Amino acid sequence: DTGVSQDPRHKITKRGQNVTFRCDPISEHNRLYWYRQTLGQGPEFLTYFQNEAQLEKSRLLSDRFSAERPKGSFSTLEIQRTEQGDSAMYLCASSFDGTGELFFGEGSRLTVL
Amino acid sequence: SQQGEEDPQALSIQEGENATMNCSYKTSINNLQWYRQNSGRGLVHLILIRSNEREKHSGRLRVTLDTSKKSSSLLITASRAADTASYFCAPSTGTASKLTFGTGTRLQVTL
Repeated sequence: DTGVSQDPRHKITKRGQNVTFRCDPISEHNRLYWYRQTLGQGPEFLTYFQNEAQLEKSRLLSDRFSAERPKGSFSTLEIQRTEQGDSAMYLCASSFDGTGELFFGEGSRLTVL
Repeated sequence: SQQGEEDPQALSIQEGENATMNCSYKTSINNLQWYRQNSGRGLVHLILIRSNEREKHSGRLRVTLDTSKKSSSLLITASRAADTASYFCAPSTGTASKLTFGTGTRLQVTL
Protein backbone atom coordinates (compact mmCIF):
# COMPACT_ATOMS: atom_id res chain seq x y z
CA ASP A 1 0.00 0.00 0.00
CA THR A 2 1.48 3.30 -1.08
CA GLY A 3 -0.63 5.66 1.00
CA VAL A 4 -3.80 7.69 0.57
CA SER A 5 -4.72 8.28 -3.03
CA GLN A 6 -7.13 10.85 -4.42
CA ASP A 7 -8.69 11.14 -7.83
CA PRO A 8 -8.81 13.27 -9.86
CA ARG A 9 -5.88 15.46 -8.88
CA HIS A 10 -7.28 18.38 -10.82
CA LYS A 11 -10.81 19.19 -11.93
CA ILE A 12 -12.01 22.22 -13.86
CA THR A 13 -15.75 22.59 -14.16
CA LYS A 14 -18.35 25.17 -15.00
CA ARG A 15 -20.59 26.70 -12.38
CA GLY A 16 -23.68 24.62 -11.83
CA GLN A 17 -22.10 21.29 -12.72
CA ASN A 18 -21.74 18.39 -10.30
CA VAL A 19 -18.33 17.00 -9.40
CA THR A 20 -17.25 13.91 -7.50
CA PHE A 21 -13.92 13.20 -5.82
CA ARG A 22 -12.71 9.81 -4.71
CA CYS A 23 -10.39 8.92 -1.88
CA ASP A 24 -8.77 5.54 -1.27
CA PRO A 25 -7.36 5.43 2.27
CA ILE A 26 -4.59 3.25 3.60
CA SER A 27 -6.20 -0.17 3.70
CA GLU A 28 -6.05 -0.90 7.43
CA HIS A 29 -7.21 2.58 8.45
CA ASN A 30 -10.73 2.74 9.80
CA ARG A 31 -11.07 6.53 9.91
CA LEU A 32 -11.34 8.78 6.90
CA TYR A 33 -11.49 12.57 6.88
CA TRP A 34 -12.28 15.24 4.29
CA TYR A 35 -10.83 18.72 4.52
CA ARG A 36 -11.06 21.75 2.23
CA GLN A 37 -8.22 24.22 1.83
CA THR A 38 -8.21 27.57 0.08
CA LEU A 39 -5.11 29.54 -0.84
CA GLY A 40 -3.16 30.82 2.15
CA GLN A 41 -5.41 29.08 4.66
CA GLY A 42 -5.10 25.91 6.67
CA PRO A 43 -7.23 22.85 5.96
CA GLU A 44 -10.83 23.21 7.14
CA PHE A 45 -12.56 20.11 8.46
CA LEU A 46 -15.57 18.97 6.44
CA THR A 47 -16.53 15.50 7.64
CA TYR A 48 -15.20 12.21 8.91
CA PHE A 49 -16.10 8.53 8.89
CA GLN A 50 -15.34 5.70 11.21
CA ASN A 51 -15.65 2.65 9.02
CA GLU A 52 -18.83 3.30 7.00
CA ALA A 53 -20.49 5.58 9.58
CA GLN A 54 -20.34 9.32 8.99
CA LEU A 55 -19.76 10.57 12.53
CA GLU A 56 -19.42 14.31 12.12
CA LYS A 57 -20.17 16.97 9.54
CA SER A 58 -19.02 20.56 9.63
CA ARG A 59 -21.47 23.41 9.25
CA LEU A 60 -19.31 24.30 6.25
CA LEU A 61 -20.78 21.26 4.52
CA SER A 62 -23.89 22.70 2.89
CA ASP A 63 -26.65 20.54 1.49
CA ARG A 64 -24.89 20.66 -1.87
CA PHE A 65 -22.12 18.52 -0.41
CA SER A 66 -22.49 14.84 0.30
CA ALA A 67 -19.93 12.26 1.32
CA GLU A 68 -20.17 8.51 1.44
CA ARG A 69 -17.97 5.64 2.46
CA PRO A 70 -19.69 2.45 1.38
CA LYS A 71 -18.40 -0.69 3.07
CA GLY A 72 -15.90 1.36 5.03
CA SER A 73 -13.35 1.39 2.23
CA PHE A 74 -13.01 4.21 -0.31
CA SER A 75 -14.96 7.44 0.05
CA THR A 76 -16.54 9.88 -2.36
CA LEU A 77 -17.24 13.56 -1.91
CA GLU A 78 -19.83 14.99 -4.28
CA ILE A 79 -20.54 18.66 -4.80
CA GLN A 80 -23.77 19.44 -6.60
CA ARG A 81 -24.48 22.68 -8.46
CA THR A 82 -20.95 23.95 -7.99
CA GLU A 83 -20.32 27.61 -7.23
CA GLN A 84 -17.15 29.65 -7.74
CA GLY A 85 -16.68 29.70 -3.97
CA ASP A 86 -16.24 25.92 -4.05
CA SER A 87 -12.89 26.37 -5.79
CA ALA A 88 -10.37 24.88 -3.40
CA MET A 89 -8.14 21.92 -2.69
CA TYR A 90 -10.07 18.99 -1.25
CA LEU A 91 -7.88 16.87 0.98
CA CYS A 92 -8.57 13.38 2.21
CA ALA A 93 -6.81 11.82 5.19
CA SER A 94 -7.02 8.50 6.98
CA SER A 95 -5.95 7.22 10.35
CA PHE A 96 -6.04 4.14 12.51
CA ASP A 97 -7.71 4.11 15.91
CA GLY A 98 -5.33 4.81 18.72
CA THR A 99 -2.59 6.63 16.85
CA GLY A 100 -4.04 10.07 16.21
CA GLU A 101 -1.71 10.64 13.26
CA LEU A 102 -3.39 11.57 9.99
CA PHE A 103 -2.06 10.42 6.65
CA PHE A 104 -3.04 12.82 3.89
CA GLY A 105 -3.47 12.33 0.18
CA GLU A 106 -2.13 14.81 -2.34
CA GLY A 107 -5.52 16.45 -2.71
CA SER A 108 -7.96 17.15 -5.51
CA ARG A 109 -7.85 20.71 -6.76
CA LEU A 110 -11.19 22.04 -7.96
CA THR A 111 -11.54 25.12 -10.14
CA VAL A 112 -15.07 26.35 -10.82
CA LEU A 113 -15.33 28.75 -13.75
CA SER B 1 -11.39 19.64 18.94
CA GLN B 2 -9.50 22.87 19.16
CA GLN B 3 -7.41 24.88 16.79
CA GLY B 4 -3.81 25.84 17.29
CA GLU B 5 -2.53 29.26 16.29
CA GLU B 6 0.89 29.36 14.68
CA ASP B 7 3.27 32.25 14.98
CA PRO B 8 4.84 33.87 13.04
CA GLN B 9 2.63 33.73 9.95
CA ALA B 10 5.71 33.88 7.74
CA LEU B 11 9.41 33.32 8.31
CA SER B 12 12.28 33.81 5.91
CA ILE B 13 15.76 32.52 6.71
CA GLN B 14 18.93 31.52 4.93
CA GLU B 15 20.03 27.96 4.44
CA GLY B 16 21.95 26.69 7.43
CA GLU B 17 20.11 28.86 9.94
CA ASN B 18 17.69 27.53 12.50
CA ALA B 19 13.96 28.15 12.21
CA THR B 20 11.65 28.37 15.19
CA MET B 21 7.89 28.50 14.98
CA ASN B 22 5.39 28.57 17.79
CA CYS B 23 1.92 27.24 18.46
CA SER B 24 -0.57 28.31 21.10
CA TYR B 25 -3.82 26.63 22.05
CA LYS B 26 -6.61 27.24 24.54
CA THR B 27 -7.65 24.14 26.45
CA SER B 28 -6.09 20.97 27.86
CA ILE B 29 -4.78 18.51 25.33
CA ASN B 30 -3.87 14.87 25.07
CA ASN B 31 -1.21 15.44 22.43
CA LEU B 32 -0.05 17.98 19.87
CA GLN B 33 1.06 17.22 16.34
CA TRP B 34 3.06 19.14 13.77
CA TYR B 35 2.55 18.77 10.04
CA ARG B 36 4.39 20.11 6.99
CA GLN B 37 2.81 21.02 3.67
CA ASN B 38 4.81 21.70 0.54
CA SER B 39 3.14 23.97 -1.97
CA GLY B 40 0.25 22.25 -3.75
CA ARG B 41 0.72 18.97 -1.88
CA GLY B 42 -0.94 17.18 1.00
CA LEU B 43 0.13 17.49 4.63
CA VAL B 44 2.83 15.26 6.02
CA HIS B 45 2.97 14.30 9.68
CA LEU B 46 6.23 15.36 11.33
CA ILE B 47 6.00 14.61 15.01
CA LEU B 48 3.56 13.97 17.84
CA ILE B 49 4.26 15.04 21.41
CA ARG B 50 2.09 13.80 24.26
CA SER B 51 0.91 15.99 27.10
CA ASN B 52 3.25 14.27 29.57
CA GLU B 53 6.29 14.94 27.38
CA ARG B 54 8.25 18.18 27.42
CA GLU B 55 10.58 17.70 24.50
CA LYS B 56 10.91 15.38 21.55
CA HIS B 57 13.45 15.05 18.76
CA SER B 58 13.27 13.65 15.26
CA GLY B 59 16.30 14.18 13.06
CA ARG B 60 16.74 17.96 12.68
CA LEU B 61 13.41 18.64 14.37
CA ARG B 62 12.99 19.51 18.01
CA VAL B 63 9.56 20.02 19.51
CA THR B 64 8.83 21.35 22.96
CA LEU B 65 5.55 21.44 24.83
CA ASP B 66 4.69 23.65 27.78
CA THR B 67 1.25 22.65 29.00
CA SER B 68 1.25 25.35 31.69
CA LYS B 69 1.57 28.01 28.99
CA LYS B 70 -0.49 26.03 26.48
CA SER B 71 2.19 26.40 23.87
CA SER B 72 4.52 24.38 21.71
CA SER B 73 7.48 25.22 19.54
CA LEU B 74 9.02 23.53 16.53
CA LEU B 75 12.71 24.08 15.89
CA ILE B 76 14.29 23.07 12.59
CA THR B 77 18.06 23.10 12.84
CA ALA B 78 20.46 23.67 9.96
CA SER B 79 17.64 24.45 7.57
CA ARG B 80 17.73 23.47 3.91
CA ALA B 81 15.96 24.86 0.87
CA ALA B 82 13.84 21.69 0.90
CA ASP B 83 12.40 22.76 4.28
CA THR B 84 10.52 25.54 2.48
CA ALA B 85 6.89 24.76 3.27
CA SER B 86 3.96 25.66 5.51
CA TYR B 87 3.97 24.20 8.98
CA PHE B 88 0.82 23.51 10.97
CA CYS B 89 0.28 22.51 14.57
CA ALA B 90 -2.73 20.47 15.62
CA PRO B 91 -3.57 20.15 19.31
CA SER B 92 -5.68 17.12 20.06
CA THR B 93 -7.87 16.20 22.99
CA GLY B 94 -7.57 12.51 22.16
CA THR B 95 -7.25 10.00 19.41
CA ALA B 96 -11.01 10.01 18.92
CA SER B 97 -11.15 13.67 18.01
CA LYS B 98 -10.69 15.29 14.63
CA LEU B 99 -7.78 17.63 14.05
CA THR B 100 -8.38 21.32 13.42
CA PHE B 101 -5.70 23.38 11.72
CA GLY B 102 -4.82 27.05 11.87
CA THR B 103 -3.36 29.12 9.06
CA GLY B 104 0.16 27.83 9.63
CA THR B 105 3.64 29.32 9.44
CA ARG B 106 5.02 29.75 5.94
CA LEU B 107 8.76 29.09 6.03
CA GLN B 108 10.98 30.25 3.19
CA VAL B 109 14.57 29.01 3.20
CA THR B 110 16.80 30.79 0.72
CA LEU B 111 20.19 29.72 -0.60
